[in-house]
Amino acid sequence: EADIYQTPRYLVIGTGKKITLECSQTMGHDKMYWYQQDPGMELHLIHYSYGVNSTEKGDLSSESTVSRIRTEHFPLTLESARPSHTSQYLCASSKRNYGYTFGSGTRLTVV
Amino acid sequence: GEDVEQSLFLSVREGDSSVINCTYTDSSSTYLYWYKQEPGAGLQLLTYIFSNMDMKQDQRLTVLLNKKDKHLSLRIADTQTGDSAIYFCAETDNQGGKLIFGQGTELSVKP
Repeated sequence: EADIYQTPRYLVIGTGKKITLECSQTMGHDKMYWYQQDPGMELHLIHYSYGVNSTEKGDLSSESTVSRIRTEHFPLTLESARPSHTSQYLCASSKRNYGYTFGSGTRLTVV
Repeated sequence: GEDVEQSLFLSVREGDSSVINCTYTDSSSTYLYWYKQEPGAGLQLLTYIFSNMDMKQDQRLTVLLNKKDKHLSLRIADTQTGDSAIYFCAETDNQGGKLIFGQGTELSVKP
């Protein structure tokens, strides 16, 4: 039973559309993260949050934005999607220094 | 900065042992982790080892940690076709506890 949920699971959209990828966790974790993963497997941290109203950019520059208004919710928004945004997006959460719990991911295709 | 390195591919025969290796740079990491990613899915925490341990065994999995050489390995005994996946090692960074992931090792198990 998943404690961290990502929706949608798959998304195909046209160039220029605005999209929001949802991520919610029920574990009460303070820390949440967004990773972008290309077919080459490597994970790139694009955003993270250590608590409500706290968000930071990650190691990989991204045109997306995030918000953290509630502890359990960490949505990621692309204002104008482009084909270069085609990728798998993984959300994760953690408590203190324990390992991350990952969602199942959203596979985004921009045509 | 922190860096985690893994070999990209490993191929073994069913029933053999698999050894996936990882080197890391941050000697202050408290925990080191192994994650498994099956096709189209998120990452699943397999096991972790505390930095003051040399070895941890959990059923078919054995983790070895050599702190002097900053080398971590994951041994899978009696490898099965269901073990085919991508395996990521990770260390905690020295600022706030973000995980630094390796590039992932793709394990292929042939019948």
